[in-house]
Amino acid sequence: SQELEQSPQSLIVQEGKNLTINCTSSKTLYGLYWYKQKYGEGLIFLMMLQKGGEEKSHEKITAKLDEKKQQSSLHITASQPSHAGIYLCGAGASNTGKLIFGQGTTLQVKP
Amino acid sequence: GAVVSQHPSRVICKSGTSVKIECRSLDFQATTMFWYRQFPKQSLMLMATSNEGSKATYEQGVEKDKFLINHASLTLSTLTVTSAHPEDSSFYICSARPTSRNTGELFFGEGSRLTVL
Repeated sequence: SQELEQSPQSLIVQEGKNLTINCTSSKTLYGLYWYKQKYGEGLIFLMMLQKGGEEKSHEKITAKLDEKKQQSSLHITASQPSHAGIYLCGAGASNTGKLIFGQGTTLQVKP
Repeated sequence: GAVVSQHPSRVICKSGTSVKIECRSLDFQATTMFWYRQFPKQSLMLMATSNEGSKATYEQGVEKDKFLINHASLTLSTLTVTSAHPEDSSFYICSARPTSRNTGELFFGEGSRLTVL
């Protein structure tokens, strides 16, 4: 079965700093989703990547999927306290909607 | 964006009772919805796939008689935790994919926190 490994597991950065979260799959990714979650709350959809080499950006967040489609990175530029939360990568076929999630990366941004 | 609503957001019940959690897609139809469970400081674990008009598909290790799923319409799926015990206390969250869109987007509800005393 497919497994997703996220790194780092937790991250503390100073406001204004850039950061990167990685998600590595044991198998080829057919759809890679990034979500943000506040503890005890629902998931907020950030981005979905499907094609090798694909890159998407939304505001200060950029996500990339490597050419081999086994690794994705999420990059936040000039982090703000509002970026704090748990970032989850999920993988699955876009035509089924069934996702397997990584263990999550907890981000704290110090003002 | 599409909205998925869960109800209740929090529920406390006594051991041995049954609890129903609803998952509604508010502005789209969803043939398929998914139920996940999340324990404190852990990731989401897929429990089952809810299929409108047919039986749910359960992941390995999830008891179908314990977690009853009903998908009676294209906008509503329910998860019933039967004879709940303290170890069932968890954060339950559903997701849905709009049937009419082929963008691959998946939307999650706000989650329901179950505490079994």
